[in-house]
Amino acid sequence: ETGVTQSPTHLIKTRGQQVTLRCSSQSGHNTVSWYQQALGQGPQFIFQYYREEENGRGNFPPRFSGLQFPNYSSELNVNALELDDSALYLCASSLGRGGTDTQYFGPGTRLTVL
Amino acid sequence: GQQLNQSPQSMFIQEGEDVSMNCTSSSIFNTWLWYKQDPGEGPVLLIALYKAGELTSNGRLTAQFGITRKDSFLNISASIPSDVGIYFCAGAADRGSTLGRLYFGRGTQLTVWP
Repeated sequence: ETGVTQSPTHLIKTRGQQVTLRCSSQSGHNTVSWYQQALGQGPQFIFQYYREEENGRGNFPPRFSGLQFPNYSSELNVNALELDDSALYLCASSLGRGGTDTQYFGPGTRLTVL
Repeated sequence: GQQLNQSPQSMFIQEGEDVSMNCTSSSIFNTWLWYKQDPGEGPVLLIALYKAGELTSNGRLTAQFGITRKDSFLNISASIPSDVGIYFCAGAADRGSTLGRLYFGRGTQLTVWP
């Protein structure tokens, strides 16, 4: 069974640019959640996708957007990058969208904005 | 948003010692989770708790879901060098607009000296 994978591993961008991060969910999982983890902090919820629809959003501006595809893989897009967007971006997949559905995390994408 | 207070922030212990860390919330959670994160990796689930008062073990790890549903603790017995890492608590409220999102503490950095 393949776990959660993310690409790319590392990324360097400059302010104002746009970035797309990708996540492949664990086999059989229909829900993907995205988190931002700043250095020295715990992960912060960005949003969740359940069966291709957004199922909740954290306190992030609209320039953070996402997609979920029919195979349940997902993308996180960030427009107009700011320096504070530098962080580890984690995706997690789960069998369902409830709090009791265990979320399994990928290794993350380290984004640096210069 | 809901805030999780995790303590201590860091611990330096000798191999063989027991470790205890805890997490408190200003709000009630229906699920408490404990994750471990190694450098450059995503969080890995250690223990999941779904019922107030529940006490669950996973090898040398024991965690409890507080009766008030606003706190949880994690104990590690007879620590070994591979226990080194950052431990995060996470809670899920699982109601309304917060369905499916995890709230994380800031983490406890554990260092084990041989």
